[in-house]
Amino acid sequence: TQLLEQSPQFLSIQEGENLTVYCNSSSVFSSLQWYRQEPGEGPVLLVTVVTGGEVKKLKRLTFQFGDARKDSSLHITAAQPGDTGLYLCAGVNQGGKLIFGQGTELSVKP
Amino acid sequence: DVKVTQSSRYLVKRTGEKVFLECVQDMDHENMFWYRQDPGLGLRLIYFSYDVKMKEKGDIPEGYSVSREKKERFSLILESASTNQTSMYLCASSLWSGLVNEQFFGPGTRLTVL
Repeated sequence: TQLLEQSPQFLSIQEGENLTVYCNSSSVFSSLQWYRQEPGEGPVLLVTVVTGGEVKKLKRLTFQFGDARKDSSLHITAAQPGDTGLYLCAGVNQGGKLIFGQGTELSVKP
Repeated sequence: DVKVTQSSRYLVKRTGEKVFLECVQDMDHENMFWYRQDPGLGLRLIYFSYDVKMKEKGDIPEGYSVSREKKERFSLILESASTNQTSMYLCASSLWSGLVNEQFFGPGTRLTVL
């Protein structure tokens, strides 16, 4: 069974701090996505990375796909309370199926 | 913008009842999915469909069935609800290109089975 391990599972920080969330697997993925989910809502797609080593930026969020396409990271600079939510990584395996990590619950306090 | 809607945001049912969860998408996507989300377990795929009248089992299909009579509509059926089916149910649709499978989710239905 392919697994995507996310860490940390929970993160509580003050406004203005930086943070990094990791998504790791022993398997290779064709592409990897990051979603953000707010309480009581469905996940919303933030970004898709396809090429090993690829880096994408979305305002204060930086996403990186590992060179071997087995891992990814999400870095948030100067976190704000509006960044609070559940962050999910999801990889597309060789069969085209989407495998989700367990999520990182982020709380940014003013 | 892709819009995926689910028939109910909150639902309370009794053990043994038959439960229907409806999902509609407006972007002409071929693929639709049903997940359940539980704390500490992430999203688990129940069933998916890649075309009208086609369905495939996901990772946890037991106790569930699905129906896709029209391209835009995908229904999840709990034949006889049990307490262990209390969960958040999420529907999604996607254009699945092989390398990329970007999914667009509905707001979810929080189901409680008493």
